Amino acid sequence: GAVVSQHPSRVICKSGTSVKIECRSLDFQATTMFWYRQFPKKSLMLMATSNEGSKATYEQGVEKDKFLINHASLTLSTLTVTSAHPEDSSFYICSARNPPGYEQYFGPGTRLTVT
Amino acid sequence: GQQLNQSPQSMFIQEGEDVSMNCTSSSIFNTWLWYKQDPGEGPVLLIALYKAGELTSNGRLTAQFGITRKDSFLNISASIPSDVGIYFCAGQLTQNNAGNMLTFGGGTRLMVKP
Repeated sequence: GAVVSQHPSRVICKSGTSVKIECRSLDFQATTMFWYRQFPKKSLMLMATSNEGSKATYEQGVEKDKFLINHASLTLSTLTVTSAHPEDSSFYICSARNPPGYEQYFGPGTRLTVT
Repeated sequence: GQQLNQSPQSMFIQEGEDVSMNCTSSSIFNTWLWYKQDPGEGPVLLIALYKAGELTSNGRLTAQFGITRKDSFLNISASIPSDVGIYFCAGQLTQNNAGNMLTFGGGTRLMVKP
């Protein structure tokens, strides 16, 4: 149980284009999902908390107009990187909380490369 | 953002040896979680701890929630090559349904020599 998927696993896009990453909870309903960014050999950095049916809460320093988050259903949250630039290249990982517990279960990650 | 102090940063051990890593924090948490991340993958939850002083095992893994609520350790016994990866601790404060967010340690990179 508590399986989270992400799609795509890898994406290469050109600078200036937008990329959408999907995060799905496969066997549970996740009222809260989280988006992280991870640089090579570093820990995970929380970008935003996504609550179903409401606006996402962004961490300090994360541009909400740059990283659009939509949590339209209890099993799906999307992260759209708008007008991507090479510095946006990174490993993006989502997680979902499996209520009533507070543990977070992570997706397999999406490797974004902006050329 | 805030990080927990996790040590050691890396370990290179012989297969069969026991491993110990720990995390400390300046603030208290009421949940401690230990994750393992393989290269190019997302973290996988290994053990969750909910009470101060709690000692929990999962196969060869044992983790404890420090009595002060500011620290936790993870032990791996009789290491095998597939234990290779990065281990992260994470603290969580879950009072009043707020604070679902995790605070992560910097990770411990474990390498096992067959």
